[in-house]
Amino acid sequence: DVKVTQSSRYLVKRTGEKVFLECVQDMDHENMFWYRQDPGLGLRLIYFSYDVKMKEKGDIPEGYSVSREKKERFSLILESASTNQTSMYLCASSSDRGGYEQYFGPGTRLTVT
Amino acid sequence: AQKVTQAQTEISVVEKEDVTLDCVYETRDTTYYLFWYKQPPSGELVFLIRRNSFDEQNEISGRYSWNFQKSTSSFNFTITASQVVDSAVYFCALSTIGGGSNYKLTFGKGTLLTVNP
Repeated sequence: DVKVTQSSRYLVKRTGEKVFLECVQDMDHENMFWYRQDPGLGLRLIYFSYDVKMKEKGDIPEGYSVSREKKERFSLILESASTNQTSMYLCASSSDRGGYEQYFGPGTRLTVT
Repeated sequence: AQKVTQAQTEISVVEKEDVTLDCVYETRDTTYYLFWYKQPPSGELVFLIRRNSFDEQNEISGRYSWNFQKSTSSFNFTITASQVVDSAVYFCALSTIGGGSNYKLTFGKGTLLTVNP
């Protein structure tokens, strides 16, 4: 079974703080993704990575950065958290060798006050 | 550009009713995958099915069935004899077959299904 884990289920941070969201997958997947999910807006892709040290911007990269130093780990960084970044953050991974289906972690609900 | 439309924002049914969730997609690519995901109240998206654009055969898995029609660019999902545990948000998604950026999925906005006892 594919397992994608995220470092926190719930997180509360203050405006201006630097925030790290960690994601780890255990299936040797090449591709990893960060989404945010907001009511009425569905899932929006922030960044993705299809190889170690490779990253590509998604649809809403502003205010975020990512890091992928190891194949199994993909970090999302909020350099200076703002209240409009309060959201559910979902990490996913997929393999090049299959049919591109993504497997998701449980999500991190981030509140920025 | 790719697009997935799930016109039904919310559906409410009574247990044991059949329900169909609609998905219409747009793509210029000739080869692609289509997906359905389920997001129960716990929040984690669960992969349900993938279909290849080459294969228009309908698929059935227990109470779930999927109808893929290329002619209408639709990939509809039917739950037969719905149960309360089917209550969730369901997402349809699309991906081009290829490498690099093609690994991205384009998601619809989801349909909230509520099954009442």
